[in-house]
Amino acid sequence: DAGVIQSPRHEVTEMGQEVTLRCKPISGHNSLFWYRQTMMRGLELLIYFNNNVPIDDSGMPEDRFSAKMPNASFSTLKIQPSEPRDSAVYFCASSLDGNTEAFFGQGTRLTVV
Amino acid sequence: SQQGEEDPQALSIQEGENATMNCSYKTSINNLQWYRQNSGRGLVHLILIRSNEREKHSGRLRVTLDTSKKSSSLLITASRAADTASYFCATPTRDYGQNFVFGPGTRLSVLP
Repeated sequence: DAGVIQSPRHEVTEMGQEVTLRCKPISGHNSLFWYRQTMMRGLELLIYFNNNVPIDDSGMPEDRFSAKMPNASFSTLKIQPSEPRDSAVYFCASSLDGNTEAFFGQGTRLTVV
Repeated sequence: SQQGEEDPQALSIQEGENATMNCSYKTSINNLQWYRQNSGRGLVHLILIRSNEREKHSGRLRVTLDTSKKSSSLLITASRAADTASYFCATPTRDYGQNFVFGPGTRLSVLP
């Protein structure tokens, strides 16, 4: 397996634009996590899916953020409208069962200007 | 709220020395995991210790777990410059939603 795949690797967008980040988890994993990492706030868990269902979205900062998992092999994190303070590295991770090892993607570096 | 928290927040040592970092947590766990993050990259799993284990080794890594104190330590022996990274612990519990909430991590610098 190629591991967790995120796209794009880098995204630069203007304030107010919609941004969509994509994640393909490892095949067979039933748990998927989205994180945001900044120097100021560290690594924050945004949302956790189990069997494609959002279980805990308490980390989603505000209504501008939304995440979906239409099937077991694909998830998106959308920011609409984007703001400069959303600039961060966004990571996706998957785990076989939400209890054992989590595998992280390479991340998407988002810059909102 | 985070379950596990690492300390110290920063650690600087000379190459060849041992590095020890700690993780404390709040509630009963299924297992405890340590991860490493090199700058700008995703976290990489290092080692998992189950709640009924007290010590585990993997290469130059040694992990201990004290469930009575709700704490774990990660020892890296004979450190190398390539060990320079941030280290995080994860403490999965029955509350799966909080399983992979990470603390601030320990930033390790190994000086040549």
